[in-house]
Order: sequence, then C-alpha cells, then structure tokens
Amino acid sequence: DQQVKQNSPSLSVQEGRISILNCDYTNSMFDYFLWYKKYPAEGPTFLISISSIKDKNEDGRFTVFLNKSAKHLSLHIVPSQPGDSAVYFCAASAQSNDYKLSFGAGTTVTVRA
Amino acid sequence: NAGVTQTPKFQVLKTGQSMTLQCAQDMNHEYMSWYRQDPGMGLRLIHYSVGAGITDQGEVPNGYNVSRSTTEDFPLRLLSAAPSQTSVYFCASSYGWQFYSPLHFGNGTRLTVT
Repeated sequence: DQQVKQNSPSLSVQEGRISILNCDYTNSMFDYFLWYKKYPAEGPTFLISISSIKDKNEDGRFTVFLNKSAKHLSLHIVPSQPGDSAVYFCAASAQSNDYKLSFGAGTTVTVRA
Repeated sequence: NAGVTQTPKFQVLKTGQSMTLQCAQDMNHEYMSWYRQDPGMGLRLIHYSVGAGITDQGEVPNGYNVSRSTTEDFPLRLLSAAPSQTSVYFCASSYGWQFYSPLHFGNGTRLTVT
C-alpha cells in the first residue's frame, strides 16, 4: 500500500505561470519530505526538502508547503520555465524507519511556450 | 567527480538467466541503495546498505541479492530473471544514513526480461 500518493499523473502549464504539484501521505510518522525532479533517461535529482517542524521552505522559484494536519504537501514553481518540464517525485521519510524514503508515483509537468 | 555510475544502461534477459547490475560511487558515501521504477508505482526500495559489509532488505527484495564489500561498489544480482523484474533500476547513494541526507541517483539501467 503506497504511503505517499501523487494523485495527478500529469500537469500542463503555460510558461510564466505557476505550477502546483500536490502530494498526500498516510503515515503520521513521516517527518521529512523531499521533492525530486527527473528528466528522461536520467536519474532523479534532489530539488527541495522540508522538515515537519516547518510549514514552508523556499529555494528560488521553488516553494514547498507542508500541512501536517491534512497530511498534505505541495510544490509551487513560479514562474514555470520550459526547463521545468520533467517528472516530479514526492518522497517522505521517518526517523523511526531508519530514514528510508517512500516515493510517490510522480507527476509529469509539461510547460508550454 | 562522476557521482553514481550504473552499468549497463540497457539489458535484455531471457527468463531464468542471471545477471549483475553494477553501481559505483566516488563520493565516499556511506549509504547506498537500489530502487526499481515501474509505471504508476514510483520508486520502490529493493535493498540498501549503511556501510561496507552491511546490507538489509527494502520493500521489494524478493529475487534480488546484494553485497557491499567496498564503500564504492554496490552490485545488484538477479539470480533467475522473471518477466516481473522488467523495470528501470536506479542505484543511489547519500552521505549518511543516521540523518536526513538527499539521495544522489545514477542514470538507471533499463532491464527487459522476456
């Protein structure tokens, strides 16, 4: 049973607009969350993370929001650029599980010119 | 630094054949792991290692063996390939396992079992 769920398999957004990617989790022991970005024929690369003691973390155009009560996090990309077209994976880990990562199924983002 | 290097990039096997997927990292990372990526499933942990000589099972270990004789290398062995093992395999490493450390991934091995 997947503990991390990305319910939108794909997202299409116009260049310059905001991309919002959503992720839900079921395990209340998760205390650290990450987003990875993956281009075709490459491995995933780390994008941004957030600890459960925070509700927001920002890095340039990328912001991650965490709502612990709803067990929900989101990634905002503003403004979206053509190079942001990729698959984005949400991942979560727990100290109680030796920090092993659980991944969502991914959301494919396409940025239209 | 080459980072995490996986070989081969592509492989086709017949059912019952065995093979080893190679993974090497040059970052002196303690933690190494193997994931498989299947459509609609995300990445699932197969095996992992927190240091040379130490390995443990992940979420989907059946049909796979690993060993960690050096810090740099973490090969994944398929003893008797099955069509259900058709997937893309990613090796990853990170600096430490005792805390939250982002994974560095290789570029993957696409395996097809016929």
